[in-house]
Amino acid sequence: NAGVTQTPKFRVLKTGQSMTLLCAQDMNHEYMYWYRQDPGMGLRLIHYSVGEGTTAKGEVPDGYNVSRLKKQNFLLGLESAAPSQTSVYFCASIGQGGKGPQHFGDGTRLSIL
Amino acid sequence: GNSVTQMEGPVTLSEEAFLTINCTYTATGYPSLFWYVQYPGEGLQLLLKATKADDKGSNKGFEATYRKETTSFHLEKGSVQVSDSAVYFCALHSGGGADGLTFGKGTHLIIQP
Repeated sequence: NAGVTQTPKFRVLKTGQSMTLLCAQDMNHEYMYWYRQDPGMGLRLIHYSVGEGTTAKGEVPDGYNVSRLKKQNFLLGLESAAPSQTSVYFCASIGQGGKGPQHFGDGTRLSIL
Repeated sequence: GNSVTQMEGPVTLSEEAFLTINCTYTATGYPSLFWYVQYPGEGLQLLLKATKADDKGSNKGFEATYRKETTSFHLEKGSVQVSDSAVYFCALHSGGGADGLTFGKGTHLIIQP
């Protein structure tokens, strides 16, 4: 019973490089989310998706893009990484029409040099 | 907009002490309230929740009561253990469910033997 799986778990990038973080869930959830966690800031919502083919901006969307081509996958892209994007990224999904609890992945620790 | 305020940490207690972590919120409508726990190196796990006023959520000896009159959802435990050491997040979820959770900044709890 995998739940929410994030890959990779760790990554170091140089400024200006691009990369994609993958989130996969096997619970048939409609809603999926990407958050970033920074010291003293809690978790902040980057982008979210309410279904396959749909995405929307959250609180801190600048510098990120997302895609939801398949219901089970939610990709987060950094086109040109910046040191300010050094953070721990968490993916989450929710079922029950949005009324259930969010299920979180174990996070991706990303460092931008 | 929505916001969650929780007490600053770290909070350091001795084993078997009584725990209270304060949480207050601002939200439109009637939000659902949650406490999540994050152990080192892991993602967030749902600890307990309450979906309407006067509901009490409970799990693993932790409790929190949804107080609409004081807009609060304080986390309590009668006797903490070293294994309770973690970061605790208060969060709320309002509206139709699509736009994610609003988190507090987290409270780091340290239990000493």
